Amino acid sequence: SQQGEEDPQALSIQEGENATMNCSYKTSINNLQWYRQNSGRGLVHLILIRSNEREKHSGRLRVTLDTSKKSSSLLITASRAADTASYFCATSTGNQFYFGTGTSLTVIP
Amino acid sequence: DAGVIQSPRHEVTEMGQEVTLRCKPISGHNSLFWYRQTMMRGLELLIYFNNNVPIDDSGMPEDRFSAKMPNASFSTLKIQPSEPRDSAVYFCASRHRRLNEKLFFGSGTQLSVL
Repeated sequence: SQQGEEDPQALSIQEGENATMNCSYKTSINNLQWYRQNSGRGLVHLILIRSNEREKHSGRLRVTLDTSKKSSSLLITASRAADTASYFCATSTGNQFYFGTGTSLTVIP
Repeated sequence: DAGVIQSPRHEVTEMGQEVTLRCKPISGHNSLFWYRQTMMRGLELLIYFNNNVPIDDSGMPEDRFSAKMPNASFSTLKIQPSEPRDSAVYFCASRHRRLNEKLFFGSGTQLSVL
């Protein structure tokens, strides 16, 4: 399976703290994407990093990619209660997208 | 843009009944994906279409599952007969293959088979 795995499965932090979640995958990829899912809703795309990139920023999000270790991390800085959601990494080999198991993030006000 | 539209939002049915889930992708998108989400298995890719043609249905769990895309603006996922283990949230997602590498998801259909 090309499915990624996120770590940790669940994370609880105080508002204002940083949240880091990791993703490991198994095969070569074209790009890796992070998505967010609020309870009872569909997934929403957050950020994409290509296989030839090592780091990317978007607002309070920072993503890193290490293709040699087949791993990625998502950092959310200065977390807010509204960041409470599940976060998924998705690997793409072109036409297909495979999602990890997700990290459930709770930000306590 | 209305986004990806799925219907119904919730479906409760009895074992053995036929279930049809519907999806309207974003206008102009030429790839469509069906996913199933459960606590145990996470998000599973069931099938995807490019230009209305099924490309990979290897994720479809059994012959009881079938999917069609008769035109660029409509797709269905059918389960016949349904079983309790089919209970899950089913998501449809679309993208423009050339212009956009990200997926746009619908709000999902929560299916409960009793």
